[in-house]
Amino acid sequence: EPEVTQTPSHQVTQMGQEVILRCVPISNHLYFYWYRQILGQKVEFLVSFYNNEISEKSEIFDDQFSVERPDGSNFTLKIRSTKLEDSAMYFCASKITLYNEQFFGPGTRLTVL
Amino acid sequence: AQTVTQSQPEMSVQEAETVTLSCTYDTSESDYYLFWYKQPPSRQMILVIRQEAYKQQNATENRFSVNFQKAAKSFSLKISDSQLGDAAMYFCAYSNYQLIWGAGTKLIIKP
Repeated sequence: EPEVTQTPSHQVTQMGQEVILRCVPISNHLYFYWYRQILGQKVEFLVSFYNNEISEKSEIFDDQFSVERPDGSNFTLKIRSTKLEDSAMYFCASKITLYNEQFFGPGTRLTVL
Repeated sequence: AQTVTQSQPEMSVQEAETVTLSCTYDTSESDYYLFWYKQPPSRQMILVIRQEAYKQQNATENRFSVNFQKAAKSFSLKISDSQLGDAAMYFCAYSNYQLIWGAGTKLIIKP
């Protein structure tokens, strides 16, 4: 069964460093998402991406964040200068159409020291 | 703005018993989807069940069923014959485009 994959599973970085979180959505899906979940808190929407552009983003998704679909398979989230409060689990999700359920990847745990 | 409320931070149930997790939401939309996701300690997000708002019939998936009350904007999850593997955080989520999440309910299964 096709699934969303994410790498790495755990990333440790120093404050101020750039990180790139990678996702491979399910191949025939058209809508892509990033969410984050700070430990013990609710899941928060970051950004949605469709047709090679951002369709919606939250207040969290400021200038430090960017997304890219560099080829036909990868979907990346870049944080330019990480802060301590960026430590969280980051989930990638994809779906076929606008009204289907989203399929989630296993998440990347980002730890900023 | 759409909101999702899960009023039970934690619930516990005896193995093999039935438990109901509550969820209410607020929206002015008429077409939308509702979901329950399970998040075990591995923190993977697993879809449990979905409900389309235009469907009156409550969704069921094996031991999992929902009680969808559109007028009351209520979407509870019933787990029958609870098993140890059901222990997890359960999140209710609303969607018409992006997902709006509740705060989650931690479900504890007592052997």
